[in-house]
Amino acid sequence: DMKVTQMPRYLIKRMGENVLLECGQDMSHETMYWYRQDPGLGLQLIYISYDVDSNSEGDIPKGYRVSRKKREHFSLILDSAKTNQTSVYFCASSLSGLGAAEQFFGPGTRLTVL
Amino acid sequence: GEQVEQRPPHLSVREGDSAIIICTYTDSATAYFSWYKQEAGAGLQLLMSVLSNVDRKEEQGLTVLLNKKDKRLSLNLTAAHPGDSAVYFCAVSPSNYNVLYFGSGTKLTVEP
Repeated sequence: DMKVTQMPRYLIKRMGENVLLECGQDMSHETMYWYRQDPGLGLQLIYISYDVDSNSEGDIPKGYRVSRKKREHFSLILDSAKTNQTSVYFCASSLSGLGAAEQFFGPGTRLTVL
Repeated sequence: GEQVEQRPPHLSVREGDSAIIICTYTDSATAYFSWYKQEAGAGLQLLMSVLSNVDRKEEQGLTVLLNKKDKRLSLNLTAAHPGDSAVYFCAVSPSNYNVLYFGSGTKLTVEP
């Protein structure tokens, strides 16, 4: 069953707290992504990972970091969360090369930073 | 970098009518074009995709048109039904296929 999972689905944190968002996929995809979705802005790429310990910044990496120690897991970390990081976060995965254009998305994590 | 504009942001049609969503992009080297559907509370699901050598593709009531001269991509849902109500995103990718650039989304409502 081809699936991308995200945990937790909903999270409320206070400003300054640390946040860990987890993503898993069972398709052995090399490439994984973290996006945030805000109203009227579509999806913005935060980080892309080409494989274990091979991560690159996307368009809006400031305030975020990632970790990928196993091919099937990709974590997004917010050290000292800010209120403007309130958003819906999506993880996605894809094959590499031409296959990277078809991405499989998780259900999203709705993060609220108070 | 690539800029993708999508319109309209909201679209309401009656069941059985057609719905058209348009995206424009800026990079003439864009090689891959796709449409995603996002239902309420869910992630995005790929609907259809075309490479730059395809002008038209039809599948199960959906038509994707690509006009490379005008850098315009459109999605036409013929005979829409309430189950088509969702947010639709276009996404384009440069020739290295590493990243997707998304439009801002169109919320489609199909009324019975």
